[in-house]
Amino acid sequence: DIQMTQSPSSLSASVGDRVTITCRASQTISTYLHWYQQISGKAPRLLIYAASTLQSGVPSRFSGSGSGTEFTLTISSLQPEDFATYYCQQSYITPRTFGQGTKVEIK
Amino acid sequence: QITLKESGPTLVKPTQTLTLTCTFSGFSLKTRGMGVGWIRQPPGKALECLALIYWNDDKRYSPSLKSRLTITKDTSKNQVVFTMTNMDPVDTATYYCAHTIMTPGWFDPWGQGTLVTVSS
Repeated sequence: DIQMTQSPSSLSASVGDRVTITCRASQTISTYLHWYQQISGKAPRLLIYAASTLQSGVPSRFSGSGSGTEFTLTISSLQPEDFATYYCQQSYITPRTFGQGTKVEIK
Repeated sequence: QITLKESGPTLVKPTQTLTLTCTFSGFSLKTRGMGVGWIRQPPGKALECLALIYWNDDKRYSPSLKSRLTITKDTSKNQVVFTMTNMDPVDTATYYCAHTIMTPGWFDPWGQGTLVTVSS
């Protein structure tokens, strides 16, 4: 299995802050990397696919980058509705695997 | 617009078999590339992909759970059925089904999820 490791596991930030989350794969996955947002008690929502493509309807303050084994999700200016847990997922091979999540909390 | 909804028991006893149904609309599992996945999330923990089924009946299972899992499709009813045998309290989780495409393999959208508790 490909192991996906996110850092940090949690962070505290204020509205308006720039936030960066990192996801590392245990082997190269090209750009088969996707990001999800999960608000507490809700199903995950796809934010970014193929490492850097914004899903329709997702605000432009979200962006993704990377290829190979290292990827980042950036929120350029954190908004109140962005406080959530974020997961990365690889689809290079099966089984599809997720990172352990990064919880973004209010400072 | 694609929608999915999970249905099944909310409580199962240890050693029992869990059967969940995902009923979907907005796509067909007769269409090349289309698929449905089952993903679970224990309370407070991360997401884990359990099983995938594709339009061509290709099935993929989590290696660590493969012996306990079965996934099937009924294209006439737009349903995917997931079973997990020999349930244990550690299998307590919210179980989601989600639409996927074989390549490139992201999950979108997801069903609302169903919390399954394993307890005697």
